[in-house]
Amino acid sequence: EIVLTQSPDFQSVTPKEKVTITCRASQSIGSSLHWYQQKPDQSPKLLIKYASQSFSGVPSRFSGSGSGTDFTLTINSLEAEDAATYYCHQSSSLPHTFGGGTKVEIK
Amino acid sequence: QVQLVQSGAEVKKPGASVKVSCKASGYTFTSYGISWVRQAPGQGLEWMGWISAYNGNTNYAQKLQGRVTMTTDTSTSTAYMELRSLRSDDTAVYYCARDSSSGPQGGWFDPWGQGTLVTVSS
Repeated sequence: EIVLTQSPDFQSVTPKEKVTITCRASQSIGSSLHWYQQKPDQSPKLLIKYASQSFSGVPSRFSGSGSGTDFTLTINSLEAEDAATYYCHQSSSLPHTFGGGTKVEIK
Repeated sequence: QVQLVQSGAEVKKPGASVKVSCKASGYTFTSYGISWVRQAPGQGLEWMGWISAYNGNTNYAQKLQGRVTMTTDTSTSTAYMELRSLRSDDTAVYYCARDSSSGPQGGWFDPWGQGTLVTVSS
């Protein structure tokens, strides 16, 4: 199965700062990589689909890039409401897999 | 709006079975798949499998093969996930999610149900 490795595991950031989260796949997955945000005691919410396509209703400060094995989620000008855990997810091959998550804390 | 509403929390003893429901609304149920994902306490997300709401085809995670069954009832736009021979490490929140792809490969997931906590304890 394809292993997704996220880094960092944890990030403490001040508001308005830029956040970069990376997701590395153990083999090429093309652009079949999606990003989710999960706030405490809530279900995950889709942010980015197919590596770089913003999902409807998602604030423009969230963006994604990458292809093949290396992917990035960027949050420009972090807001307090962005405190959450972020997960990458690949749908290139079965079984689907998720990264381990990156927890973003607001300083 | 597109919505998935799951059944309530369950407490089961080891060895028992649990069946979680996921009722869809706001879209054509048979045009999408449903994926199931679980999350153990304080842990990450684990894909359990997928079912086509169109024809009932399924794909299960290998580690759950033989213990899990996913079904749908198109008359009520409801998906079900049954897990048998429960163990303590099956304690988790179980989510259903609409899969963007109706095919077996699957795609991105949106929206997700609110989650169902299944606790396995003697």
